[in-house]
Amino acid sequence: GENVEQHPSTLSVQEGDSAVIKCTYSDSASNYFPWYKQELGKRPQLIIDIRSNVGEKKDQRIAVTLNKTAKHFSLHITETQPEDSAVYFCAAIGPPNAGGTSYGKLTFGQGTILTVHP
Amino acid sequence: NAGVTQTPKFRVLKTGQSMTLLCAQDMNHEYMYWYRQDPGMGLRLIHYSVGEGTTAKGEVPDGYNVSRLKKQNFLLGLESAAPSQTSVYFCASRRLNEQFFGPGTRLTVL
Repeated sequence: GENVEQHPSTLSVQEGDSAVIKCTYSDSASNYFPWYKQELGKRPQLIIDIRSNVGEKKDQRIAVTLNKTAKHFSLHITETQPEDSAVYFCAAIGPPNAGGTSYGKLTFGQGTILTVHP
Repeated sequence: NAGVTQTPKFRVLKTGQSMTLLCAQDMNHEYMYWYRQDPGMGLRLIHYSVGEGTTAKGEVPDGYNVSRLKKQNFLLGLESAAPSQTSVYFCASRRLNEQFFGPGTRLTVL
């Protein structure tokens, strides 16, 4: 099955700096890569996603890049703010099964604890 | 719309006890999922369902059973709880590629 590795496990930045979180995946058939933000004690929430036919996607201060050849994708947060402090998870929808569908099964990375210091 | 809801929010069990976690969604989604979240391990898929009356195993199904008798509900059962099942459990439903998560159930097994 799919395997997703995420680095770093913790990241500490000063307010206004940029933060970058990187993930690698194992199966070249994976085709959808979401990023989730989880605040302490809350549910994960989708913040941005990218499909395998796109190299980069941006939404205000957040961007995601995808390198299909190298099988890695990254989350970039610019002009970080204290409210960006949370755990961030990358994920990949795994390859289709013998019947040709993946049923939307997500494989998650281990998470990155981002702390933005005022 | 309530979205995805889970009951209970918290539960403490003794080893060997059984319980059922309920997930409900009012978005008419076909696909539903149960995950567990443990420190440093992200979320791992326990079981999932692609529609009413269907269930399938995920990455870590051992010790759990599920049922999807109604489209809006997905139940996760622990027949004989073990300390290794202490975790936070999240349910999710899916529209297109996006998964919508419930608020979670924090389960402690003593």
